[in-house]
Amino acid sequence: GAGVSQSPSNKVTEKGKDVELRCDPISGHTALYWYRQSLGQGLEFLIYFQGNSAPDKSGLPSDRFSAERTGGSVSTLTIQRTQQEDSAVYLCASSRRAQETQYFGPGTRLLVL
Amino acid sequence: AQSVSQHNHHVILSEAASLELGCNYSYGGTVNLFWYVQYPGQHLQLLLKYFSGDPLVKGIKGFEAEFIKSKFSFNLRKPSVQWSDTAEYFCAVSLYNQGGKLIFGQGTELSVKP
Repeated sequence: GAGVSQSPSNKVTEKGKDVELRCDPISGHTALYWYRQSLGQGLEFLIYFQGNSAPDKSGLPSDRFSAERTGGSVSTLTIQRTQQEDSAVYLCASSRRAQETQYFGPGTRLLVL
Repeated sequence: AQSVSQHNHHVILSEAASLELGCNYSYGGTVNLFWYVQYPGQHLQLLLKYFSGDPLVKGIKGFEAEFIKSKFSFNLRKPSVQWSDTAEYFCAVSLYNQGGKLIFGQGTELSVKP
């Protein structure tokens, strides 16, 4: 079956612009996670959605970052007023339920000039 | 704060050599443990996982890992590596009462010489 998909695969933007990154989880997976992979910080948790529960936003690095998940499926991660330090690969993962194995998408490589 | 530590940043081996990658975590409660692999140009894939039961778990491609609770460790092993094992390996922990979010180690880059 189809895996986790993310779009765009690459995004180049100018400092100060807003960007939106999209994640399509595996069908039927109720849990969805966003992570960030950067050279200096490794792999970091950003935010987690489980069903209709309030998301766990504890990993978001600043209030410029936000995410939503519509209809329990597709998720969008938005970064406002991008900074150069936001340059990273943004990874999405989904699992059937919380605590179960997470399956990762290919990531979106973001470069802020 | 909870953390995961991988002992080696870069390991270079010849084919047929044995591999052991160290992973330690700092958390006193119940954890689930994972090893993920990222082959060049590919996305993260699950190698193996430990949730409960036998602390020696076997994964894909001949990898295994042993959970030693008293040492807070989950080391990855393979008796004989192949060139195709060249990749970056990540140890990760999820905490039982925190929704499954993963805390990753820094990663270990493995280079296998043919």
